[in-house]
Amino acid sequence: EVQVVESGGGLIQPGGSLRLSCAASGFTFSNYWMHWVRQVPGKGLVWVSRINSDGTNTVYADSVKGRFTIARDNAKNTLYLQLNSLRVEDVGVYYCTRGRTRWGSYSGMDVWGPGTTVTVSS
Amino acid sequence: DIVLTQSPLSLPVTPGEPASISCKSSESLLHGNGNNYLDWYLLKPGQSPQLLIYLSSNRASGVPDRFSGSGSGTDFTLKISRVEAEDVGVYYCMQPLRTPFTFGPGTKVEIK
Repeated sequence: EVQVVESGGGLIQPGGSLRLSCAASGFTFSNYWMHWVRQVPGKGLVWVSRINSDGTNTVYADSVKGRFTIARDNAKNTLYLQLNSLRVEDVGVYYCTRGRTRWGSYSGMDVWGPGTTVTVSS
Repeated sequence: DIVLTQSPLSLPVTPGEPASISCKSSESLLHGNGNNYLDWYLLKPGQSPQLLIYLSSNRASGVPDRFSGSGSGTDFTLKISRVEAEDVGVYYCMQPLRTPFTFGPGTKVEIK
């Protein structure tokens, strides 16, 4: 079964750090670009970051640039998101999702995990 | 950044009746490869987002054929031919043409 499962969320004080993980299975992880998307409580979906298939190219939303770092370990089929200098406005459910293939084929963000919740509060 | 607007933001529907959601982009989403880079996602209460339509008109695997997408350039539409009770939730359009990817504000579909 093709799936991704996020973990690592929790309650953290403003200014603190967390590392989110996303374990992929059922597909060749190294063939896909991956993304993190956040569901803002009571609001909508916000794209956070993406990484290409070999991890050499990353892009971030302006709101997290310089504070968050996306990375991947293709040997472990795992995607990461390091969250530093957390702010109250970073709260939400963070989803890992699959994007385009390394060859450029795009079929939507077709695999989503259950998400992991980040709460930032003092 | 590319801005997506959706209308309506709230859509009360009657089961068995059709429904339609509009998504307009601040820039053309037509790529040089001929594809329009506009997706539709559904966020049901208590669930993760699910892909409905990709590249404007391609139905994702497992999505019922009552869902269809159309449009090109800056104007796109998601149609449900006959709404079912399980279709309630918030529908989002999203552009994957250029980073930062952006989502529309969402359209909340609820049963009358």
